[in-house]
Amino acid sequence: GAGVSQTPSNKVTEKGKYVELRCDPISGHTALYWYRQSLGQGPEFLIYFQGTGAADDSGLPNDRFFAVRPEGSVSTLKIQRTERGDSAVYLCASSPGPVNEQYFGPGTRLTVT
Amino acid sequence: TQLLEQSPQFLSIQEGENLTVYCNSSSVFSSLQWYRQEPGEGPVLLVTVVTGGEVKKLKRLTFQFGDARKDSSLHITAAQPGDTGLYLCAGREGGTSYGKLTFGQGTILTVHP
Repeated sequence: GAGVSQTPSNKVTEKGKYVELRCDPISGHTALYWYRQSLGQGPEFLIYFQGTGAADDSGLPNDRFFAVRPEGSVSTLKIQRTERGDSAVYLCASSPGPVNEQYFGPGTRLTVT
Repeated sequence: TQLLEQSPQFLSIQEGENLTVYCNSSSVFSSLQWYRQEPGEGPVLLVTVVTGGEVKKLKRLTFQFGDARKDSSLHITAAQPGDTGLYLCAGREGGTSYGKLTFGQGTILTVHP
């Protein structure tokens, strides 16, 4: 079956602009996660949804970052007033539930110029 | 926030050699996972260890969870060029943060033919 998909695969934006990153999880997976991976580092947790609600958003770095999952399936990560330090690969993962294996998408590479 | 320290960061070896990657924390994790990540892709789960002292084998890969559930190791026997990649350990916390994974910074392994 289809895995986790993320769009776009690459996004280049100017400092100060707004961006949206989309994640399509595996069908039927109730848990969805966003991570951020900087070059040469491991992924860093941002937020996790169980259904439509954010069960843990402790990893969001500041209020410029926001994520939604209105129907419990597709999720969008939104970044306002982008900064050069936001440049990274943003990974999305989904799982049948919070205790199950997480399946990762290929990521969106965000570059802020 | 619980932290995982992975070592070494870089490993460059010849085909046929053995190697060990270490993952250490001062905190206890409810479980620990090892992932492998290829360029342009998300991490893929290799194994999950749950019980202190647990040893799991996956072909030429041996994974061990420390007795106190604070550290883990990955040992590869007779490495092959196909083993080249980024290896990540990740710990799962308990309680309300159960869905969240904390990753180490990764070990970049290069196996030369």
